[in-house]
Amino acid sequence: KQEVTQIPAALSVPEGENLVLNCSFTDSAIYNLQWFRQDPGKGLTSLLLIQSSQREQTSGRLNASLDKSSGRSTLYIAASQPGDSATYLCAVKDTGGFKTIFGAGTRLFVKA
Amino acid sequence: GAVVSQHPSWVICKSGTSVKIECRSLDFQATTMFWYRQFPKQSLMLMATSNEGSKATYEQGVEKDKFLINHASLTLSTLTVTSAHPEDSSFYICSASSRRNTEAFFGQGTRLTVV
Repeated sequence: KQEVTQIPAALSVPEGENLVLNCSFTDSAIYNLQWFRQDPGKGLTSLLLIQSSQREQTSGRLNASLDKSSGRSTLYIAASQPGDSATYLCAVKDTGGFKTIFGAGTRLFVKA
Repeated sequence: GAVVSQHPSWVICKSGTSVKIECRSLDFQATTMFWYRQFPKQSLMLMATSNEGSKATYEQGVEKDKFLINHASLTLSTLTVTSAHPEDSSFYICSASSRRNTEAFFGQGTRLTVV
Protein backbone atom coordinates (compact mmCIF):
# COMPACT_ATOMS: atom_id res chain seq x y z
CA LYS A 1 0.00 0.00 0.00
CA GLN A 2 1.42 3.35 -1.05
CA GLU A 3 2.34 5.69 1.78
CA VAL A 4 3.48 9.28 1.39
CA THR A 5 5.46 11.06 4.10
CA GLN A 6 6.33 14.74 4.25
CA ILE A 7 9.08 16.30 6.33
CA PRO A 8 9.04 18.66 8.12
CA ALA A 9 5.45 18.83 9.35
CA ALA A 10 5.83 22.55 9.97
CA LEU A 11 8.40 25.18 9.09
CA SER A 12 8.83 28.82 10.01
CA VAL A 13 11.39 30.91 8.12
CA PRO A 14 12.23 34.59 7.71
CA GLU A 15 11.33 36.27 4.46
CA GLY A 16 13.90 35.86 1.70
CA GLU A 17 15.17 32.49 2.79
CA ASN A 18 15.47 29.59 0.37
CA LEU A 19 13.86 26.41 1.64
CA VAL A 20 13.35 22.75 0.81
CA LEU A 21 10.34 20.62 1.54
CA ASN A 22 10.74 16.87 1.45
CA CYS A 23 8.42 14.10 0.32
CA SER A 24 9.00 10.36 0.30
CA PHE A 25 6.84 7.51 -0.96
CA THR A 26 7.08 3.79 -0.33
CA ASP A 27 6.18 2.36 -3.74
CA SER A 28 8.18 3.59 -6.72
CA ALA A 29 5.55 2.39 -9.19
CA ILE A 30 3.98 5.78 -9.81
CA TYR A 31 2.64 7.61 -12.82
CA ASN A 32 3.34 11.06 -11.52
CA LEU A 33 3.98 13.18 -8.46
CA GLN A 34 2.30 16.48 -7.82
CA TRP A 35 2.89 19.32 -5.39
CA PHE A 36 -0.09 21.36 -4.21
CA ARG A 37 -0.62 24.42 -2.12
CA GLN A 38 -3.57 24.73 0.22
CA ASP A 39 -4.52 27.90 2.05
CA PRO A 40 -6.54 27.60 5.28
CA GLY A 41 -10.11 26.55 4.59
CA LYS A 42 -9.54 26.50 0.85
CA GLY A 43 -9.16 23.96 -1.92
CA LEU A 44 -6.00 22.81 -3.66
CA THR A 45 -3.82 24.79 -6.03
CA SER A 46 -1.63 22.64 -8.23
CA LEU A 47 1.95 23.91 -8.25
CA LEU A 48 3.99 21.38 -10.18
CA LEU A 49 3.39 18.00 -11.79
CA ILE A 50 6.29 15.65 -12.49
CA GLN A 51 5.67 12.64 -14.69
CA SER A 52 7.45 9.43 -13.69
CA SER A 53 9.86 9.77 -16.60
CA GLN A 54 10.91 13.28 -15.58
CA ARG A 55 13.51 14.37 -13.04
CA GLU A 56 12.33 17.89 -12.27
CA GLN A 57 9.93 20.69 -13.06
CA THR A 58 10.26 24.42 -12.54
CA SER A 59 7.77 27.23 -12.25
CA GLY A 60 8.96 30.66 -11.23
CA ARG A 61 10.56 30.43 -7.78
CA LEU A 62 9.54 26.80 -7.42
CA ASN A 63 11.54 23.77 -8.43
CA ALA A 64 10.50 20.20 -7.79
CA SER A 65 12.70 17.17 -8.25
CA LEU A 66 11.83 13.50 -8.45
CA ASP A 67 13.99 10.49 -7.75
CA LYS A 68 11.62 7.65 -8.39
CA SER A 69 14.04 4.86 -7.62
CA SER A 70 14.66 6.15 -4.12
CA GLY A 71 11.07 7.26 -3.60
CA ARG A 72 11.87 10.89 -2.95
CA SER A 73 10.86 14.33 -4.13
CA THR A 74 11.82 17.79 -3.00
CA LEU A 75 10.14 21.13 -3.48
CA TYR A 76 12.57 24.02 -3.50
CA ILE A 77 11.21 27.52 -2.88
CA ALA A 78 13.59 30.36 -3.63
CA ALA A 79 13.48 33.75 -1.94
CA SER A 80 10.46 32.95 0.18
CA GLN A 81 7.78 35.59 0.71
CA PRO A 82 5.02 35.98 3.33
CA GLY A 83 2.53 35.15 0.60
CA ASP A 84 4.07 31.70 0.35
CA SER A 85 2.67 30.86 3.79
CA ALA A 86 0.35 27.88 3.32
CA THR A 87 0.27 24.11 3.62
CA TYR A 88 2.16 22.28 0.89
CA LEU A 89 0.95 18.83 -0.06
CA CYS A 90 2.80 16.16 -1.98
CA ALA A 91 0.74 13.54 -3.80
CA VAL A 92 1.60 10.54 -5.95
CA LYS A 93 -0.55 8.78 -8.50
CA ASP A 94 0.31 5.14 -8.28
CA THR A 95 -0.04 2.51 -10.93
CA GLY A 96 -1.83 0.03 -8.70
CA GLY A 97 -5.23 1.65 -8.47
CA PHE A 98 -4.56 4.91 -10.30
CA LYS A 99 -5.33 6.70 -7.08
CA THR A 100 -3.71 9.93 -5.97
CA ILE A 101 -2.36 9.47 -2.45
CA PHE A 102 -1.50 12.50 -0.35
CA GLY A 103 1.10 13.17 2.28
CA ALA A 104 0.13 14.92 5.51
CA GLY A 105 1.57 18.21 4.30
CA THR A 106 4.11 20.76 5.47
CA ARG A 107 2.71 23.91 7.07
CA LEU A 108 4.94 26.80 6.03
CA PHE A 109 5.02 30.20 7.69
CA VAL A 110 7.17 32.93 6.19
CA LYS A 111 7.77 35.83 8.54
CA ALA A 112 7.97 39.36 7.18
CA GLY B 1 -5.41 22.74 -16.99
CA ALA B 2 -8.82 21.17 -17.11
CA VAL B 3 -11.63 22.51 -14.93
CA VAL B 4 -13.50 20.57 -12.30
CA SER B 5 -16.43 22.31 -10.65
CA GLN B 6 -17.76 21.25 -7.29
CA HIS B 7 -21.09 22.39 -5.87
CA PRO B 8 -21.99 23.60 -3.34
CA SER B 9 -18.86 25.19 -1.92
CA TRP B 10 -20.34 25.07 1.54
CA VAL B 11 -23.45 23.65 3.14
CA ILE B 12 -24.97 23.55 6.61
CA CYS B 13 -27.52 20.85 7.33
CA LYS B 14 -29.39 19.44 10.28
CA SER B 15 -28.39 16.16 11.83
CA GLY B 16 -30.27 13.27 10.26
CA THR B 17 -30.75 14.85 6.86
CA SER B 18 -28.97 13.94 3.63
CA VAL B 19 -26.71 16.18 1.58
CA LYS B 20 -25.69 15.81 -2.05
CA ILE B 21 -22.43 17.19 -3.43
CA GLU B 22 -21.85 17.44 -7.16
CA CYS B 23 -18.58 17.21 -9.05
CA ARG B 24 -18.50 18.15 -12.72
CA SER B 25 -15.73 18.05 -15.28
CA LEU B 26 -16.44 21.08 -17.44
CA ASP B 27 -14.17 20.63 -20.43
CA PHE B 28 -13.24 16.95 -20.54
CA GLN B 29 -14.78 13.55 -20.08
CA ALA B 30 -13.89 12.06 -16.74
CA THR B 31 -13.74 8.30 -16.85
CA THR B 32 -12.63 8.19 -13.23
CA MET B 33 -13.52 10.40 -10.30
CA PHE B 34 -12.21 10.29 -6.77
CA TRP B 35 -13.72 11.59 -3.55
CA TYR B 36 -11.60 12.77 -0.62
CA ARG B 37 -12.36 13.94 2.89
CA GLN B 38 -10.21 16.30 4.90
CA PHE B 39 -10.61 16.93 8.62
CA PRO B 40 -9.17 20.13 10.14
CA LYS B 41 -5.38 20.26 10.02
CA GLN B 42 -5.20 16.83 8.44
CA SER B 43 -4.41 15.71 4.94
CA LEU B 44 -6.78 14.46 2.27
CA MET B 45 -7.96 10.92 2.77
CA LEU B 46 -9.29 9.02 -0.21
CA MET B 47 -12.83 7.80 0.37
CA ALA B 48 -13.73 6.13 -2.91
CA THR B 49 -12.99 5.75 -6.59
CA SER B 50 -15.77 5.80 -9.13
CA ASN B 51 -15.68 4.84 -12.77
CA GLU B 52 -18.41 5.99 -15.12
CA GLY B 53 -21.23 3.49 -15.30
CA SER B 54 -20.01 1.19 -12.56
CA LYS B 55 -20.18 0.94 -8.80
CA ALA B 56 -17.74 2.92 -6.73
CA THR B 57 -14.84 1.24 -4.96
CA TYR B 58 -14.63 2.35 -1.35
CA GLU B 59 -11.51 2.56 0.78
CA GLN B 60 -11.27 0.51 3.92
CA GLY B 61 -13.26 2.02 6.75
CA VAL B 62 -15.58 4.12 4.54
CA GLU B 63 -19.24 3.15 4.85
CA LYS B 64 -20.66 2.73 1.37
CA ASP B 65 -24.25 2.92 2.62
CA LYS B 66 -23.57 6.24 4.27
CA PHE B 67 -21.58 7.84 1.48
CA LEU B 68 -23.47 7.11 -1.73
CA ILE B 69 -21.53 7.78 -4.90
CA ASN B 70 -23.07 7.95 -8.34
CA HIS B 71 -21.09 8.42 -11.54
CA ALA B 72 -23.81 8.20 -14.13
CA SER B 73 -22.14 10.25 -16.84
CA LEU B 74 -18.66 11.14 -18.04
CA THR B 75 -18.98 14.66 -16.66
CA LEU B 76 -20.82 14.24 -13.37
CA SER B 77 -20.30 12.37 -10.12
CA THR B 78 -22.28 12.92 -6.95
CA LEU B 79 -21.56 12.14 -3.31
CA THR B 80 -24.56 11.89 -1.01
CA VAL B 81 -23.95 11.92 2.72
CA THR B 82 -26.97 10.12 4.14
CA SER B 83 -28.34 10.67 7.64
CA ALA B 84 -25.58 13.15 8.34
CA HIS B 85 -24.22 13.54 11.85
CA PRO B 86 -21.94 16.21 13.34
CA GLU B 87 -18.94 13.88 13.00
CA ASP B 88 -19.47 13.94 9.21
CA SER B 89 -18.63 17.65 9.23
CA SER B 90 -15.57 17.93 7.04
CA PHE B 91 -14.12 19.29 3.82
CA TYR B 92 -14.96 17.07 0.85
CA ILE B 93 -12.99 17.34 -2.40
CA CYS B 94 -13.42 15.53 -5.68
CA SER B 95 -10.95 14.95 -8.48
CA ALA B 96 -11.38 13.76 -12.03
CA SER B 97 -9.19 12.11 -14.65
CA SER B 98 -9.80 11.58 -18.33
CA ARG B 99 -7.72 8.43 -18.37
CA ARG B 100 -6.50 6.35 -15.52
CA ASN B 101 -2.86 7.24 -15.92
CA THR B 102 -3.16 10.97 -16.46
CA GLU B 103 -3.20 13.99 -14.22
CA ALA B 104 -6.14 14.33 -11.88
CA PHE B 105 -7.81 17.73 -11.60
CA PHE B 106 -9.40 18.83 -8.37
CA GLY B 107 -12.60 20.64 -7.51
CA GLN B 108 -12.56 23.55 -5.11
CA GLY B 109 -14.05 21.51 -2.28
CA THR B 110 -17.25 21.54 -0.24
CA ARG B 111 -17.29 22.40 3.43
CA LEU B 112 -20.04 20.44 5.15
CA THR B 113 -21.22 21.43 8.62
CA VAL B 114 -23.79 19.24 10.32
CA VAL B 115 -25.56 20.87 13.27
